[in-house]
Amino acid sequence: QKEVEQNSGPLSVPEGAIASLNCTYSDRGSQSFFWYRQYSGKSPELIMFIYSNGDKEDGRFTAQLNKASQYVSLLIRDSQPSDSATYLCAVIRAGNNRKLIWGLGTSLAVNP
Amino acid sequence: EPEVTQTPSHQVTQMGQEVILRCVPISNHLYFYWYRQILGQKVEFLVSFYNNEISEKSEIFDDQFSVERPDGSNFTLKIRSTKLEDSAMYFCASSSGVKETQYFGPGTRLLVL
Repeated sequence: QKEVEQNSGPLSVPEGAIASLNCTYSDRGSQSFFWYRQYSGKSPELIMFIYSNGDKEDGRFTAQLNKASQYVSLLIRDSQPSDSATYLCAVIRAGNNRKLIWGLGTSLAVNP
Repeated sequence: EPEVTQTPSHQVTQMGQEVILRCVPISNHLYFYWYRQILGQKVEFLVSFYNNEISEKSEIFDDQFSVERPDGSNFTLKIRSTKLEDSAMYFCASSSGVKETQYFGPGTRLLVL
């Protein structure tokens, strides 16, 4: 079982729609969850982080965490063509280490 | 806004040669990391570094790899004898604390021929 799983996509949404990106993780002790955006050939750029169950909103982005289901999602409201990128889910497990464990990413295409 | 910088942006080398990838983390950060991403694959953790020593390293980080913080600003990754499979994007990241977010540099694209 992969540690962090994401649907590779591509996910295609029209401009102005809500894009919903999902991620599951295998280690129940995971404690920190991150969404990064990566444009082709570029480095990951932090979008949001979430530590506690529930929703966390930041502008057009909402992260949702459900530790019981081992599931974290990212909603992008009012999607823009500039949101077209690969969205990477990353997790830090319990313990003293701080290494990020990554999913393969979901490719999002926002069509004008 | 402070940012992580990396040099060079691109490096082409022959198999068996040594390469040094350089990073300048954000100035008040204390935790440093190297990750790599082979084309089309996921980002993989290589090593973390704190208080002038390695905190953790992955299975990938074998004896061919080493890291160093030679002065107060630079953080380097050395690959002693490169292999074809070392071709990847190498990302440096830093964070200000154990619970803090990691910020990534722009990456070095390494091509081993």
